[in-house]
Amino acid sequence: NAGVMQNPRHLVRRRGQEARLRCSPMKGHSHVYWYRQLPEEGLKFMVYLQKENIIDESGMPKERFSAEFPKEGPSILRIQQVVRGDSAAYFCASSPEVSADGGYTFGSGTRLTVV
Amino acid sequence: EDQVTQSPEALRLQEGESSSLNCSYTVSGLRGLFWYRQDPGKGPEFLFTLYSAGEEKEKERLKATLTKKESFLHITAPKPEDSATYLCAVHDGGNQFYFGTGTSLTVIP
Repeated sequence: NAGVMQNPRHLVRRRGQEARLRCSPMKGHSHVYWYRQLPEEGLKFMVYLQKENIIDESGMPKERFSAEFPKEGPSILRIQQVVRGDSAAYFCASSPEVSADGGYTFGSGTRLTVV
Repeated sequence: EDQVTQSPEALRLQEGESSSLNCSYTVSGLRGLFWYRQDPGKGPEFLFTLYSAGEEKEKERLKATLTKKESFLHITAPKPEDSATYLCAVHDGGNQFYFGTGTSLTVIP
């Protein structure tokens, strides 16, 4: 039973390019969360999605960032016109329902480096 | 906003030397406090959930406890394989968890 799958593991982009990060939740999980981890900082919430719905994007920067979780396929976190400050580890987590029980299951993350 | 503070930032222990990690929190209505372990280059791995003051949970050499203001992760007779960053997070029933910055634990053989 595969866990949360994220790809790519590492992504290098030049300033101004687009970055697309993918996340396939655990089988049976319908809730997806994206978190960002900057060096020396804790994990920060970005967005919470269910299939075809953005439930809460309060942690997402207003510009250049978008997320989706289509009916078929993985969840995508898209960053347009990347800047150096976007360099971070981006983690996806999934849960079977919105519940504090058991916490999330995290993927291994995508390390984005903007050069 | 909910806040989580972890201390110390880093901890070096000799193998077998027991110690505790602290997680202080401020939350408007605690629904759960979580401990995760994170190895370099990996995602956080779930360890424990605690729901109410006085609750304790154990797993191998780890024991987590909870009061109304803080949680402790006690590590008894640690081994080098326990070296990792330990993260604490709180949930207030909303859509997100609030994470601390972690304690980096190194256990020296």
